[in-house]
Amino acid sequence: AQSVTQPDIHITVSEGASLELRCNYSYGATPYLFWYVQSPGQGLQLLLKYFSGDTLVQGIKGFEAEFKRSQSSFNLRKPSVHWSDAAEYFCAAWMDSSYKLIFGSGTRLLVRP
Amino acid sequence: DGGITQSPKYLFRKEGQNVTLSCEQNLNHDAMYWYRQDPGQGLRLIYYSQIVNDFQKGDIAEGYSVSREKKESFPLTVTSAQKNPTAFYLCASKTGTANTGELFFGEGSRLTVL
Repeated sequence: AQSVTQPDIHITVSEGASLELRCNYSYGATPYLFWYVQSPGQGLQLLLKYFSGDTLVQGIKGFEAEFKRSQSSFNLRKPSVHWSDAAEYFCAAWMDSSYKLIFGSGTRLLVRP
Repeated sequence: DGGITQSPKYLFRKEGQNVTLSCEQNLNHDAMYWYRQDPGQGLRLIYYSQIVNDFQKGDIAEGYSVSREKKESFPLTVTSAQKNPTAFYLCASKTGTANTGELFFGEGSRLTVL
């Protein structure tokens, strides 16, 4: 079945430390991939997206993600986390010709001062 | 500014009452969506609409209804048949063909059943 998996429910990092959030997908071809961020009680904001081409994608707020076909992964990274990055992060993918964007269950990021 | 407006932001309902959540967009997008969000469960698709006067059920449509009479508007009614309606509801829209392009989200509506 087509799915998006975010294996980490919670991640805690210290401010200034690097961050990597994991995302794996299950699909027979290359999907269109997205990372969204959600602050508490708010809607989702797009951080970055991958459709094709360069597998390292730059986004807003200093985030980047790398698509690895061999690992069916699209992990989100940031070299130095700021306290304002504390939020919930969702990976999502279009996997076929339907209108349904499939979301992972989210990873909540906590930032230690 | 272009965007998606959801209202109300907070809504309280007694059991047995229907409520309607509003979603309006001025992005000229063809497709609109309703998602439900519960803690630890990510986003689950309730209904979506690709064009005016057409909509399809998502994964959890039972107890909900929608209409799409105008391109800009996609209201969601939570009926008394929805057994556990307390949740955060998100409306989204997109342009482009079926499986391309990103979704743009509203700020959400939190429904609490008393």
